[in-house]
Amino acid sequence: GAVVSQHPSRVICKSGTSVKIECRSLDFQATTMFWYRQFPKQSLMLMATSNEGSKATYEQGVEKDKFLINHASLTLSTLTVTSAHPEDSSFYICSAPGRGVWEQYFGPGTRLTVT
Amino acid sequence: GIQVEQSPPDLILQEGANSTLRCNFSDSVNNLQWFHQNPWGQLINLFYIPSGTKQNGRLSATTVATERYSLLYISSSQTTDSGVYFCAVVEGGTSYGKLTFGQGTILTVHP
Repeated sequence: GAVVSQHPSRVICKSGTSVKIECRSLDFQATTMFWYRQFPKQSLMLMATSNEGSKATYEQGVEKDKFLINHASLTLSTLTVTSAHPEDSSFYICSAPGRGVWEQYFGPGTRLTVT
Repeated sequence: GIQVEQSPPDLILQEGANSTLRCNFSDSVNNLQWFHQNPWGQLINLFYIPSGTKQNGRLSATTVATERYSLLYISSSQTTDSGVYFCAVVEGGTSYGKLTFGQGTILTVHP
């Protein structure tokens, strides 16, 4: 199956700072990637769709100025959490469609803790 | 939007037992996937199964799209099967990647 990586796997930052999370498709190209958020003991919620070469599409209720998404190449999407606050602490997971388009493959996730 | 309900929410088994997890969805779907989230958070693809039946080792899945449900069968469970099992769907007519997840089934397998 397709392989998706994320970096870093874990990050702790101080309130008010910004954090960048990278999502890479390792053995395939992805013109579209997706960012999800998961709170402890809860399900995954789609935050936004990352589109290579164009603006990201955000789900209702997600602040686009807080969660900046850049899809600079066919294998890399980045999510920047700007001016992070403790309530932004969460598990962030990206996904990309494999060669079959419909099937999604997920990265290992990034656990963000804002102190 | 589409609603996805999974049952049971929690399941505790002895090693070697069989189990069935259910996923109901409220509308037509273009995609349905089952995932296992391991203790480190990694989502592992189990099945891509918008319809029909598939088997992979001790796991099998069946989706009856016309009746809007899917079942995941785990046979001869092992302690390594523990974790959270998610069903996720793409609602018909929406972008292919926009998965809506159920709340998951937490499976604990005791030795």
